Amino acid sequence: EVQLLESGGGLVQPGGSLRLSCAASGFTFSSYAMSWVRQAPGKGLEWVSAISGSGGSTYYADSVKGRFTISRDNSKNTLYLQMNSLRAEDTAVYYCAKDLALSGMVQGVVVDWGQGTLVTVSS
Amino acid sequence: VIWMTQSPSLLSASTGDRVTISCRMSQGISSYLAWYQQKPGKAPELLIYAASTLQSGVPSRFSGSGSGTDFTLTISCLQSEDFATYYCQQYYSFPTTFGQGTRLEIK
Repeated sequence: EVQLLESGGGLVQPGGSLRLSCAASGFTFSSYAMSWVRQAPGKGLEWVSAISGSGGSTYYADSVKGRFTISRDNSKNTLYLQMNSLRAEDTAVYYCAKDLALSGMVQGVVVDWGQGTLVTVSS
Repeated sequence: VIWMTQSPSLLSASTGDRVTISCRMSQGISSYLAWYQQKPGKAPELLIYAASTLQSGVPSRFSGSGSGTDFTLTISCLQSEDFATYYCQQYYSFPTTFGQGTRLEIK
């Protein structure tokens, strides 16, 4: 059974930093691209970032480019999202998401989701 | 960036009804479209990908159609557990984008 367990969310002041982690189990982690998708309170889904299975390719939404960095440690089966220069509009539940395709290349279709971790940016 | 228009934003229906949700793209995306269902307080669940391929375990009352710029999600006979919010997503190009969502409520 696929399990994705996010951690690292919390309250942070504007301009601050936070690192999210996602511990994965139940599948061959390095064979799948992974993404972060967020959802602001009462709003829709917004894709944030994606990384290929090897970690060699990364993609970002324009809204976070230059501020967020996605990475992965395949030896630890863990996905990360380093978030810097946080803004109020980054407040959201952040979901760790596993790609559908067994290729390692980023496709973007999410077949498995974590339970989400809440990030609140406020003074 | 590919823009998406999902409609309606709110849909009222009764158990047993047949409903359709539309998603229109600002440019052609072939069949690179997925549909998700989300219930309050829960993560989304994948229903359909490649515009019409049903994800494993999803009931056959769900179906998807379309290609290019116009896509449709159909639920043929609404069950009580289907009242939720539905999102379309294009993955033809990055950034992948989601529609604004359709909340399906009980009439």
